[in-house]
Amino acid sequence: NAGVTQTPKFQVLKTGQSMTLQCAQDMNHNSMYWYRQDPGMGLRLIYYSASEGTTDKGEVPNGYNVSRLNKREFSLRLESAAPSQTSVYFCASSETGLETQYFGPGTRLLVL
Amino acid sequence: KNQVEQSPQSLIILEGKNCTLQCNYTVSPFSNLRWYKQDTGRGPVSLTIMTFSENTKSNGRYTATLDADTKQSSLHITASQLSDSASYICVVNSGGSYIPTFGRGTSLIVHP
Repeated sequence: NAGVTQTPKFQVLKTGQSMTLQCAQDMNHNSMYWYRQDPGMGLRLIYYSASEGTTDKGEVPNGYNVSRLNKREFSLRLESAAPSQTSVYFCASSETGLETQYFGPGTRLLVL
Repeated sequence: KNQVEQSPQSLIILEGKNCTLQCNYTVSPFSNLRWYKQDTGRGPVSLTIMTFSENTKSNGRYTATLDADTKQSSLHITASQLSDSASYICVVNSGGSYIPTFGRGTSLIVHP
């Protein structure tokens, strides 16, 4: 089992460009999450999907959109990237909302 | 507002020594508490989970404690190894919520 996979691993964008971060899990988990991690700030929840077909805002959703494509895949889209979105993005999944979350390796994004 | 505070922010110890990391939370209602280990450049990995009725739980050289009355948890690392160098994150789940509350982590460096 690959667990949680994320693509790309690294990305450099110019201000105003758009991109989609991809996430997939092979553990048949119901819930999936997108976090960003900044130095000194810890992990902050951007969006989550409690189950296939549902998505909800987390703590810092502004500037992002998500799509739960199917049970395996949960993508994060930046429509118009800003330097403030420079961060490391982690996708995670769990059986349910209260179970252990399994994290992907992260995507390192730099917005110039 | 739900909060998780961790101390110390960073810690340096010599290989073979023991150490204890602290986590105080104000999450209500409490469901469970997890400690995650995050190696540099990687996603967090779960070490232990504590529920309301559990006081102590061990995972190899890692022992977590929970005092639900004072809303405090600790992670004790015995006979530290170089591979223990990482960030340790305390995460508390609230009953009925899909949004966990993350601490900012304690950065541990183990020197030979």
